[in-house]
Order: sequence, then C-alpha cells, then structure tokens
Amino acid sequence: EAQVTQNPRYLITVTGKKLTVTCSQNMNHEYMSWYRQDPGLGLRQIYYSMNVEVTDKGDVPEGYKVSRKEKRNFPLILESPSPNQTSLYFCASRSGGTPYNEQFFGPGTRLTVL
Amino acid sequence: AQSVTQLGSHVSVSEGALVLLRCNYSSSVPPYLFWYVQYPNQGLQLLLKYTTGATLVKGINGFEAEFKKSETSFHLTKPSAHMSDAAEYFCAVSEQGAQKLVFGQGTRLTINP
Repeated sequence: EAQVTQNPRYLITVTGKKLTVTCSQNMNHEYMSWYRQDPGLGLRQIYYSMNVEVTDKGDVPEGYKVSRKEKRNFPLILESPSPNQTSLYFCASRSGGTPYNEQFFGPGTRLTVL
Repeated sequence: AQSVTQLGSHVSVSEGALVLLRCNYSSSVPPYLFWYVQYPNQGLQLLLKYTTGATLVKGINGFEAEFKKSETSFHLTKPSAHMSDAAEYFCAVSEQGAQKLVFGQGTRLTINP
C-alpha cells in the first residue's frame, strides 16, 4: 500500500530535550515536506526537500532541522524543543518537481512540549 | 506572494442540503488550486485540484469546485451533504516554480441530522 508513515504519532516531552520525528514514504517520491498545523493558522511549511541531500527552508523553519540522506526518509529534528513548538506535525511527499502534483500526507504527529 | 483566505472557520449544514465552502486566493501568476479534506485524527487527502483547462473541476465524494479568475475564487460545493462529509477542509494554492503549498486556515464542516 502506498503510504507516508510517521513516528511517533503522539509525543509529550520537556523543554530542551532533543527529539526526532521520523517520516518515511514508499512511493519513490523525490519531493518531501514537513508542515505544522495550528488552530486558525492552517498548515505552514517548515522545510522541504527536492531530492536526496537537497533541502530548503519553508515559512517557519526556526527551531527545526531536517536531513535527507535517503530518498524514502525525511526526519524532522528539534534539537532544543520549546513550548511554542507544541503542534500537530505532518510529513508529505509528491512525485517530481511540479507543484501541481498531489501531495500525500502522513497521519500526523501530535507533539506537546512542557 | 501567494495567499489563501477561507471565509468561515465553521460551517454547519443539514444532511441533504447544499454545501458551499468559500476560498479566495492571491497569486501573481496563474495558480494551481487544491482542496484537501482532513477527517478526524487523520492526515489530509486530496479532494480535487485545478491546474489548467476546464474551470469546473470534479473531485471525489461528489464534490466540485469552480475556478473563477475574475473573482480570484475557488469555492467548493456539493449538492447534497452526507453525514460522512463532516471534516475539516483546506484550500491551498501553489504556483509554477514554487515548491510549496500555501494553505488557508481551514473550514470545519458540521452536518446536522
């Protein structure tokens, strides 16, 4: 089954404790992206990657890091989480470089930073 | 810069009634427009999209949307609401050469029996 998976689905942590949210897709997509969803703000892009070893900032990259060492994986790293990073996070992927292709979304990771 | 405005954060309709979710966009070039749906505790899935060509676009589950360039709108409609349509709906815009989707704030649709 074609899908985007994220782990963990739920995470409660404390300020300053480094964490990684994993994202993996099995569709051989070149493009992957991370979004955060906050009430009243919709989804905002954090980082995206056009292919292996190619990443770029989205609209809200502060406090986040990413890497793309393999085509299928695109982990999101919070090196020193803060309470304002409490949010619902989505990973997405799509084929090719064309922005009109459908993006496929993972099920989401709900993060709480105390 | 691209932007999207969805009018109404909450819309409530009766089962069998018309569904109309409003979306207006801003784009400096011809846009690509999307509607995504998010069911409770799930990720987003594509309902329909407009790229070029016919301005009336049909999607899954009986939804359709019409691209109106003069009004910079891409409203989502469904003639007869079903209980299973209860979800949050997001309008999004992208542009040729851009590598991101810009989402609206979302509209939560409630269906009353």
